[in-house]
Amino acid sequence: AQKVTQAQTEISVVEKEDVTLDCVYETRDTTYYLFWYKQPPSGELVFLIRRNSFDEQNEISGRYSWNFQKSTSSFNFTITASQVVDSAVYFCALSALRGSARQLTFGSGTQLTVLP
Amino acid sequence: DSGVTQTPKHLITATGQRVTLRCSPRSGDLSVYWYQQSLDQGLQFLIQYYNGEERAKGNILERFSAQQFPDLHSELNLSSLELGDSALYFCASSDPGGGLVTQYFGPGTRLTVL
Repeated sequence: AQKVTQAQTEISVVEKEDVTLDCVYETRDTTYYLFWYKQPPSGELVFLIRRNSFDEQNEISGRYSWNFQKSTSSFNFTITASQVVDSAVYFCALSALRGSARQLTFGSGTQLTVLP
Repeated sequence: DSGVTQTPKHLITATGQRVTLRCSPRSGDLSVYWYQQSLDQGLQFLIQYYNGEERAKGNILERFSAQQFPDLHSELNLSSLELGDSALYFCASSDPGGGLVTQYFGPGTRLTVL
């Protein structure tokens, strides 16, 4: 069985602070993918990033960075110099190959509020 | 804009009724997924179709059914609705050229059962 845990239910920061969202996963599969999605107040789910289990390189995209550590089964997401527009619910998700089925298992989400 | 479209955006109905949610995948995507987001259950996978065939089933109730048509659009049918079916229903699609890995989500249909 697969499981994704986002222990932080809600985080509140002041604009320009850095914030890290934690994600811990469990899977028995050796090949899997990890994702982060953003759900702004408007409700849609926006894809942010995908990593595969063989690629532990950290990634930076503008103010966003991701730290994938297989040894601790974690895939954390850091926003640098947060902005009010970053306020949203962020979901970490896991997908493993089951034949041609690749359903996502989502964490419970972290509500990030960035205060002006 | 992900390129996945869902209609309607909002749906309000009564208990015991039946509704149909519609999804059009991104151009070229063959796989469609349905997810339910509720306050108590979070985001849960319901069902996946690939090129018209069912590929995987998740926590989908027997009162719910889905299909994918030859033009690749998909419909999720919810019947004998209960108050607890009130949720946001998402459709997602993925590209076989990309190994069906990344799922792009539509804007969702918010279902309210009164």
